[in-house]
Amino acid sequence: DAGITQSPRYKITETGRQVTLMCHQTWSHSYMFWYRQDLGHGLRLIYYSAAADITDKGEVPDGYVVSRSKTENFPLTLESATRSQTSVYFCASSELKRGYGYTFGSGTRLTVV
Amino acid sequence: AQKVTQAQTEISVVEKEDVTLDCVYETRDTTYYLFWYKQPPSGELVFLIRRNSFDEQNEISGRYSWNFQKSTSSFNFTITASQVVDSAVYFCALSEEGRISGTYKYIFGTGTRLKVLA
Repeated sequence: DAGITQSPRYKITETGRQVTLMCHQTWSHSYMFWYRQDLGHGLRLIYYSAAADITDKGEVPDGYVVSRSKTENFPLTLESATRSQTSVYFCASSELKRGYGYTFGSGTRLTVV
Repeated sequence: AQKVTQAQTEISVVEKEDVTLDCVYETRDTTYYLFWYKQPPSGELVFLIRRNSFDEQNEISGRYSWNFQKSTSSFNFTITASQVVDSAVYFCALSEEGRISGTYKYIFGTGTRLKVLA
């Protein structure tokens, strides 16, 4: 199906474990983004990618790693999860032109215990 | 640093009232884009509108209207005759140049939760 899909929808993990959140889009959009949503902070950018193998940090990159070997996939890895990383994570994609809006995935609710 | 401020954390109105959600931004860019997104209780983020910095015309779409004023760096959103289905969190966003030449990203405000009471 066309669109942007995130998996899993819900995840509970333990402190210190590595966890990867997946994001897949079928539009061949050049840009992909990862945001986290926390009460009182709105949406904060973690990392973004302008194309395959081109990524850059956002506002809150510490503790996260991304890769983009294929245009359609943009996984986000928490190398050693901490409780402060409990959040809702949104992936988004967009056309290359600045004026285009994002299309967001449905989000992944991650709980670190 | 570029910034988007949504000073209203939460607004409650009674159905059929008009309500305006404020958005104030700071940017060094001469060309930029502004956006509004809606997040209903189901959690998904829905694109509502984009506006570029060269177009200061107000826009109306049904009960929704947007007022862009470059002089005050504001991009406010008004819902006329609000309905219960308008209850959601609304986010304003601003485009920002990325550190990698030619790239861009969006900065979001902290959102305004709108509650429309029947």
